[in-house]
Amino acid sequence: NAGVMQNPRHLVRRRGQEARLRCSPMKGHSHVYWYRQLPEEGLKFMVYLQKENIIDESGMPKERFSAEFPKEGPSILRIQQVVRGDSAAYFCASSPSQNQPQHFGDGTRLSIL
Amino acid sequence: GNSVTQMEGPVTLSEEAFLTINCTYTATGYPSLFWYVQYPGEGLQLLLKATKADDKGSNKGFEATYRKETTSFHLEKGSVQVSDSAVYFCALTNTGNQFYFGTGTSLTVIP
Repeated sequence: NAGVMQNPRHLVRRRGQEARLRCSPMKGHSHVYWYRQLPEEGLKFMVYLQKENIIDESGMPKERFSAEFPKEGPSILRIQQVVRGDSAAYFCASSPSQNQPQHFGDGTRLSIL
Repeated sequence: GNSVTQMEGPVTLSEEAFLTINCTYTATGYPSLFWYVQYPGEGLQLLLKATKADDKGSNKGFEATYRKETTSFHLEKGSVQVSDSAVYFCALTNTGNQFYFGTGTSLTVIP
């Protein structure tokens, strides 16, 4: 019974490069959420997606960040032209429907050199 | 708006001590409340939840009661173990679209 799978676990990028973070939800879950955790802080909501649709992106920075959840394959969080301030742990969560507890992956720790 | 405030850590306790981690919230409507636990290098795991006033969530010896009159959801455990050392997050959701998390409270239990 695989949980939420995120990869890579660690990602190192130089300033200006692109970062792609992947998330496969739990089996049977069609709702995916992305959160960012800065050092010594709690998780901050970024975006909520269902298959092929962005439902709520109120927490996404207006520029450089995008997310998708295609019909086939994992959800992708994409950060273009990364900057030092993007260094954080990015967590994906999934749920079978709204108002159900979200199950979290182990996160991707992004480091920007 | 929606927000969660947790007691600041870190908290250090001896094994078998009593644990309380305070959590208060601000929310519109009637949110569901949760406690998550995060072990080093891992994601968050659901510890317990309560969906309406006066509900008590419990799991692995941890308990929390949804108190609408004080807008609180304090986490308690009667006798902590070394294996309980982790970061604990209080959270709420109103719509199910997004969760609002507190900043986390780090707990270290020493033998």
